[in-house]
Amino acid sequence: DAKTTQPNSMESNEEEPVHLPCNHSTISGTDYIHWYRQLPSQGPEYVIHGLTSNVNNRMASLAIAEDRKSSTLILHRATLRDAAVYYCIPGNSGGYQKVTFGTGTKLQVIP
Amino acid sequence: GAVVSQHPSWVICKSGTSVKIECRSLDFQATTMFWYRQFPKQSLMLMATSNEGSKATYEQGVEKDKFLINHASLTLSTLTVTSAHPEDSSFYICSASPTSAYEQYFGPGTRLTVT
Repeated sequence: DAKTTQPNSMESNEEEPVHLPCNHSTISGTDYIHWYRQLPSQGPEYVIHGLTSNVNNRMASLAIAEDRKSSTLILHRATLRDAAVYYCIPGNSGGYQKVTFGTGTKLQVIP
Repeated sequence: GAVVSQHPSWVICKSGTSVKIECRSLDFQATTMFWYRQFPKQSLMLMATSNEGSKATYEQGVEKDKFLINHASLTLSTLTVTSAHPEDSSFYICSASPTSAYEQYFGPGTRLTVT
């Protein structure tokens, strides 16, 4: 599995955009980049994934560096409900694949 | 989206007893399910891969005789913690995915407290 480096914690003001960075310099050419988040006392939930191109969905945007060694999860307007631990997880895609969690970034949203 | 449920959501048991946790995929079939454990302020740690109709695959360091996994149908996997001890107190989470999906769907977790 590719190693990842994420900030331990970040803060954001409510209603402002948040950029959560992730370094994955050892990612293989076929690995997708997945992002999951875990709200307090809940199971993780899928946020977004991508391979090479930037991706958007209703929850967030994913910006992937051209060399694929880093990516950034973008929450366009942080809300209090976005306070969670965000995990960047490179790996093969497919529901049958296990997910290996790193330490993630704990996002605090300030009202 | 796909839904995964767990039962119970929390359980308290006495040391030395066994406790069973159920993981169900509610609106899809899952040939593979995963079991994770999470201690306070730590990340999720994969314990085992549960395969329908065959033996589970355990991660290194996880005792297969202590954490019994049964995946008897395409919608149900169970984790039994045998002879539980206080150090087994943790948050247990399962996940599964429809075959065609790219992502995993996680259950809400089961908080086990062993007294």
